[in-house]
Amino acid sequence: GENVEQHPSTLSVQEGDSAVIKCTYSDSASNYFPWYKQELGKGPQLIIDIRSNVGEKKDQRIAVTLNKTAKHFSLHITETQPEDSAVYFCAASLGNNNDMRFGAGTRLTVKP
Amino acid sequence: DGGITQSPKYLFRKEGQNVTLSCEQNLNHDAMYWYRQDPGQGLRLIYYSQIVNDFQKGDIAEGYSVSREKKESFPLTVTSAQKNPTAFYLCASSEGLAGSSYNEQFFGPGTRLTVL
Repeated sequence: GENVEQHPSTLSVQEGDSAVIKCTYSDSASNYFPWYKQELGKGPQLIIDIRSNVGEKKDQRIAVTLNKTAKHFSLHITETQPEDSAVYFCAASLGNNNDMRFGAGTRLTVKP
Repeated sequence: DGGITQSPKYLFRKEGQNVTLSCEQNLNHDAMYWYRQDPGQGLRLIYYSQIVNDFQKGDIAEGYSVSREKKESFPLTVTSAQKNPTAFYLCASSEGLAGSSYNEQFFGPGTRLTVL
């Protein structure tokens, strides 16, 4: 079945620096890759997603890249701010399109 | 306000008791899901429902049960058979099944269940 690995598990950056979180997946039929941000005590919220017919997508300070050949995708946050501090999850759809598998999460801390 | 709600936010139960977690959505979504979240782990799928009166087991369904009698409601019962029930439970919904393109999942705020 699908296996999603996410690294690093924790990441600490200085305000203004960039943060990169990486995920790999195993199911070559996966075609949808969302990223979620979860703040303390709340449910995850979608921040950006990418589909397999696109290699990169950008939304202001957030970008996601996808390498289908290598089966990995990454989240890039530029000009980080303290309010970016949260746990970030990647996910990949299963080839049967019935549901998704989530990475274990990355706790990002942005120090002012 | 459109959205997905879960209640209660915190729940305490004694070992051996069944407990039911509520999940309601007014987004008119067909699909609903229950996930379990443990520290240092990703979300793990317990059950999902594609349509009213139908539901499927996820990866960790043992010790849990669900019902989907109404489109907007998908309650989860944690039974006494669940060996380690203390966790953060998240409900989600989407227009269609989550793995399909364009079917964003919307998550509720979660319920933290503690079994004493």
